[in-house]
Amino acid sequence: DTEVTQTPKHLVMGMTNKKSLKCEQHMGHRAMYWYKQKAKKPPELMFVYSYEKLSINESVPSRFSPECPNSSLLNLHLHALQPEDSALYLCASSQGGYSSPLHFGNGTRLTVT
Amino acid sequence: AQSVTQLDSQVPVFEEAPVELRCNYSSSVSVYLFWYVQYPNQGLQLLLKYLSGSTLVKGINGFEAEFNKSQTSFHLRKPSVHISDTAEYFCAVMQIQGAQKLVFGQGTRLTINP
Repeated sequence: DTEVTQTPKHLVMGMTNKKSLKCEQHMGHRAMYWYKQKAKKPPELMFVYSYEKLSINESVPSRFSPECPNSSLLNLHLHALQPEDSALYLCASSQGGYSSPLHFGNGTRLTVT
Repeated sequence: AQSVTQLDSQVPVFEEAPVELRCNYSSSVSVYLFWYVQYPNQGLQLLLKYLSGSTLVKGINGFEAEFNKSQTSFHLRKPSVHISDTAEYFCAVMQIQGAQKLVFGQGTRLTINP
């Protein structure tokens, strides 16, 4: 069982839709992350939140909009996506700091049609 | 910036045989090192980490890894594998300076044959 919960598990959306991915953790972690993983590739960092503030944006297109409403929740708002954005989106959390390992959720499998 | 190279994209092994998955890294500053495992249709799970101290670290599921600073390597080993070890394995590096970004290698697909 994972301690980072992501919903939904699967999402199919058209290029004109607006949808959101949700992530929740109750481990008291202060850092939360969004990663994108294409098939047979490693996870690629998209965003990092530290103490509910955006600390890293890896030059992600504006059609992806992150939000951290509180220390336990992380959302990724999606709008006007392209088919090449289809991927597994992974959320992770950590205590913060260089030595703290990341704890991953099981991801949301996104398909853009 | 740091980089990670996993030298084998696929490693097929017979059940109960030993296995080594190789990882080399490059960084201009000190780093912390991690190995993660990803089972099909799941997220990543931490196997083990090296922060400091003894260069041989033990992790979950019988895995261990050895940090070699001079060779900038962090190879993962298991003396006897099981069918359930079939998964994708990722080596990852965190530079101990600047932005806290965990960078992953390309992954090694471990396949255990009966």
